[in-house]
Amino acid sequence: NAGVTQTPKFRILKIGQSMTLQCTQDMNHNYMYWYRQDPGMGLKLIYYSVGAGITDKGEVPNGYNVSRSTTEDFPLRLELAAPSQTSVYFCASSDGTTHNEQFFGPGTRLTVL
Amino acid sequence: GDSVTQMEGPVTLSEEACLTINCTYTATGYPSLFWYVQYPGEGLQLLLKATKADDKGSNKGFEATYRKETTSFHLEKGSVQVSDSAVYFCALLGGNFNKFYFGSGTKLNVKP
Repeated sequence: NAGVTQTPKFRILKIGQSMTLQCTQDMNHNYMYWYRQDPGMGLKLIYYSVGAGITDKGEVPNGYNVSRSTTEDFPLRLELAAPSQTSVYFCASSDGTTHNEQFFGPGTRLTVL
Repeated sequence: GDSVTQMEGPVTLSEEACLTINCTYTATGYPSLFWYVQYPGEGLQLLLKATKADDKGSNKGFEATYRKETTSFHLEKGSVQVSDSAVYFCALLGGNFNKFYFGSGTKLNVKP
């Protein structure tokens, strides 16, 4: 199993550009999450999904959109990039059963200039 | 609401020193508790977990005990190594839609 994979690993955007961060998991997990990690800070939940076709906002959803058309994929869309979105983005998944941990991807480092 | 508070870093230790990173939590119900580790340039990896009061999670010489009476889950290791240098996150799994709540992270630097 590859686990949780994310692409790209690095990206530089200009203000106002848009992009999609890709996330795929091969563990048949129902639950998927997007977090951002600002320098020296903890994780903040952007969006999450409890299954295909179901998504919900987390703590910091403004400026982002998500979709979940399949169990495997959970892309994160930035429509109008702003410098405040410079961060490292982590995707995670879990099987949703009680007590079970989240599995994290390697992250995407995004810089908006 | 649910939350996790952990001690601020960075923590700098010499090799073979003892480590304690404090973590306390606020939660309704009976959460599961976790410690994740993040090595430089990588994603978070599960280090250990405990799912009920008085459980002790352990892995790679690290351990933490789920203390309901003090709402704590402190991370300990008797003898740290340079390779333990990383950021450590305490986390809580609440009952609401499988949401995780992470602490702010504690950076550990171990010097030879």
